[in-house]
Amino acid sequence: GQQVMQIPQYQHVQEGEDFTTYCNSSTTLSNIQWYKQRPGGHPVFLIQLVKSGEVKKQKRLTFQFGEAKKNSSLHITATQTTDVGTYFCPWWKAYGGSQGNLIFGKGTKLSVKP
Amino acid sequence: NAGVTQTPKFRILKIGQSMTLQCTQDMNHNYMYWYRQDPGMGLKLIYYSVGAGITDKGEVPNGYNVSRSTTEDFPLRLELAAPSQTSVYFCASSYYRTSGNEQFFGPGTRLTVL
Repeated sequence: GQQVMQIPQYQHVQEGEDFTTYCNSSTTLSNIQWYKQRPGGHPVFLIQLVKSGEVKKQKRLTFQFGEAKKNSSLHITATQTTDVGTYFCPWWKAYGGSQGNLIFGKGTKLSVKP
Repeated sequence: NAGVTQTPKFRILKIGQSMTLQCTQDMNHNYMYWYRQDPGMGLKLIYYSVGAGITDKGEVPNGYNVSRSTTEDFPLRLELAAPSQTSVYFCASSYYRTSGNEQFFGPGTRLTVL
């Protein structure tokens, strides 16, 4: 069955360094979403990517969707302590027709040393 | 709009006790979900609902029950609490239940079963 692996599972960076997390799928994805969960908080939607090769930016965050729509990345430039949290790229598991559910993996846990 | 609200925020139960986790959304979303998140893990879908009166099992439904009598409310019932149900429970809602639809999460209920 379809699997989406996110790497790395943990990343510890010095404040000001860049950070990247990757999601790789065994099959083509129709789209991919990214969520952020702060420590002790709840997941919050960041963005959705739909088109092959799509690149979207939100301030210091850059999201990419691969040309083959089988991988995606989130890059944070010059990390800040406010970037601390776990980043998820849930994928859609279809059950037939338009029905399915979002599947959340373990995500990438980012810690930032001031 | 308050979004998705959950009560209580924290709860400690003894083995065998029962409780209901409350979830309410004011966005008029048809679709609602219950997830659990164990420490360091992703979110696992317990139950979901596609509208008032319609619910279905997710990935880990054993030990839980749900009901959906109104569009706004989606309570989760634990009948005989077990230590394995110690977790953080998140309720979420979405406008559609199709690939690429953003989910809005509540703040969570942190449950400990001793």
